[in-house]
Amino acid sequence: EAGVAQSPRYKIIEKRQSVAFWCNPISGHATLYWYQQILGQGPKLLIQFQNNGVVDDSQLPKDRFSAERLKGVDSTLKIQPAKLEDSAVYLCASRKPGSYNEQFFGPGTRLTVL
Amino acid sequence: SQQGEEDPQALSIQEGENATMNCSYKTSINNLQWYRQNSGRGLVHLILIRSNEREKHSGRLRVTLDTSKKSSSLLITASRAADTASYFCATAQGAQKLVFGQGTRLTINP
Repeated sequence: EAGVAQSPRYKIIEKRQSVAFWCNPISGHATLYWYQQILGQGPKLLIQFQNNGVVDDSQLPKDRFSAERLKGVDSTLKIQPAKLEDSAVYLCASRKPGSYNEQFFGPGTRLTVL
Repeated sequence: SQQGEEDPQALSIQEGENATMNCSYKTSINNLQWYRQNSGRGLVHLILIRSNEREKHSGRLRVTLDTSKKSSSLLITASRAADTASYFCATAQGAQKLVFGQGTRLTINP
């Protein structure tokens, strides 16, 4: 079974520029998550999709972050404009239906904002 | 916000020794999960314990859960160099949402 794919793995941008991350979840996993992990901290949920609908985006800074999951499969997360404090690893995870199932994580995209 | 708080923040032990990490949380949970993260990599699920379970084993891992104290512990027995990683507890609020703690950085010295 193929894992969660993410690209790019690394990205360096200047502040106020825009950036986009892509995620392809495990086939059949209806639930998709985007997390932000700042160095030395645990992952923080940004947004959760169920198929192509948003379940939870309460911690997504909507003035600069946006995400979509067209057709309920792969997803993109965009930051525009980026700030220095957005430097972090952005993790995508997916999960199959069921109450007691774990999340499967991709390798992450390490973003550096200069 | 982070709900799980791991203790200690960092742990360094000799290979072959046991490592114990603790996690405390604040609200009622559906289940609690432990994940491992190697440097620069994504998280890997280790074990899940349901709110009505008290102890669970998986290989060299032993997890306990005390819902009355809102705490959990992860024990890794007979540690190996490959166990060097950060370990996170995550509480499941409802069926699908996980809230992660700050993690414990474990170093196994040869």
